[in-house]
Amino acid sequence: DIQVTQSPSTLSASVGDRVTITCRASQRISPWLAWYQQKPGKAPKLLIYEASTLESGVPSRFSGSGSGTEFTLTISSLQPDDFATYYCQQYDTYWTFGQGTKVEIK
Amino acid sequence: EVQLVESGGGLVKPGGSLRLSCAASGFDFSTCSMNWVRQAPGKGLEWVSSITSISSYMYYADSVKGRFTVSRDNAKNSLFLQMNSLRVEDTAVYYCAGAPVGDYFDLWGQGTLVTVSS
Repeated sequence: DIQVTQSPSTLSASVGDRVTITCRASQRISPWLAWYQQKPGKAPKLLIYEASTLESGVPSRFSGSGSGTEFTLTISSLQPDDFATYYCQQYDTYWTFGQGTKVEIK
Repeated sequence: EVQLVESGGGLVKPGGSLRLSCAASGFDFSTCSMNWVRQAPGKGLEWVSSITSISSYMYYADSVKGRFTVSRDNAKNSLFLQMNSLRVEDTAVYYCAGAPVGDYFDLWGQGTLVTVSS
């Protein structure tokens, strides 16, 4: 099974900060990686697929990069609406989610 | 408007059974791979099961293999998850999720809560 490790588990940041979340897979999965945002009591929302393709309607401050086994989600300038939990997901072989990164207000 | 609406959740005793449903509308359900994802209280997301568009293939997480069965009825735009031999650790919100283009999950329902407790 492919394991996916996300870091950090919690991130404290301020509005306007640049935020980076990392996802590492136990084997090569490139480019089959997606990023989701989830707010409390709500379903996840797709942000990025194929490692770097922005889903339609997602603000351009979100970007994804990486290849092979290491991937990154970057929020260029954190906005109030971005405080949430973020998950990566590999879909190279079956599906595996990372443990999640909670972005909280500093 | 694209919609996925889950139903069938509730309280069940360990060892019991439950059948979840997901009603789809607003997109071509019959060409879309569908999935179940769960989230235990206060925990992260866990993929549970997937089924291809015409039910050619079904896939299961090891944690539910042999106990859960995924199925669909394309004529009724519906997805199902039959859950047997339920365990306390199956307690979670269960989401249905659609993958109309790639294998990532574009479409999500609001979730239905399954509680397994004596």
